[in-house]
Amino acid sequence: AQSVTQLGSHVSVSEGALVLLRCNYSSSVPPYLFWYVQYPNQGLQLLLKYTTGATLVKGINGFEAEFKKSETSFHLTKPSAHMSDAAEYFCAVSDRGGGKLIFGQGTELSVKP
Amino acid sequence: GAVVSQHPSWVICKSGTSVKIECRSLDFQATTMFWYRQFPKQSLMLMATSNEGSKATYEQGVEKDKFLINHASLTLSTLTVTSAHPEDSSFYICSASDRGEGTDTQYFGPGTRLTVL
Repeated sequence: AQSVTQLGSHVSVSEGALVLLRCNYSSSVPPYLFWYVQYPNQGLQLLLKYTTGATLVKGINGFEAEFKKSETSFHLTKPSAHMSDAAEYFCAVSDRGGGKLIFGQGTELSVKP
Repeated sequence: GAVVSQHPSWVICKSGTSVKIECRSLDFQATTMFWYRQFPKQSLMLMATSNEGSKATYEQGVEKDKFLINHASLTLSTLTVTSAHPEDSSFYICSASDRGEGTDTQYFGPGTRLTVL
């Protein structure tokens, strides 16, 4: 069975500071990993995904994540936070080709001016 | 590209009535569509997976007779909440996999907020 753990239900950073949202996964097969962002009362927007190949994945809005198999991690980073980054972030894992997503609990990111 | 719409965006109904929510992939054909439920400040819980022209596969604990899913075409899936009760109030989100990309990436709709009085 697959599972995702996001460390920290709430992260607060200052504008311009580094953003680091942590995600660890468990999977018995090579995983596909995703980060989604959700703004209030909206659906989810795909930030980035890892399937195969390069372990450092770049996404939209300046975010990137690195797949580390040895650490079973897929942490999301952004060098400089912007006020518009304040939202809920979800890490998710899926089985290869299965399509079914297992989501983490979510991390709410706050950005202070 | 890869836009998914939902209708309605919000609905209020009386207890005992049925509500239908539509999910459409606007610019691609969806191999598979998924229905999720999200409670306030919580993560998404998968309710069911549907493939065009076949019966939906429901997750454990989801009542298939209460949450009717129809996937009539490659661009449309509907979720009907039958005999709704206040405990069914929630945010319902659909997603669709782009047939051209395979089933690796799901694109999400904007969600439908259901309030049952």
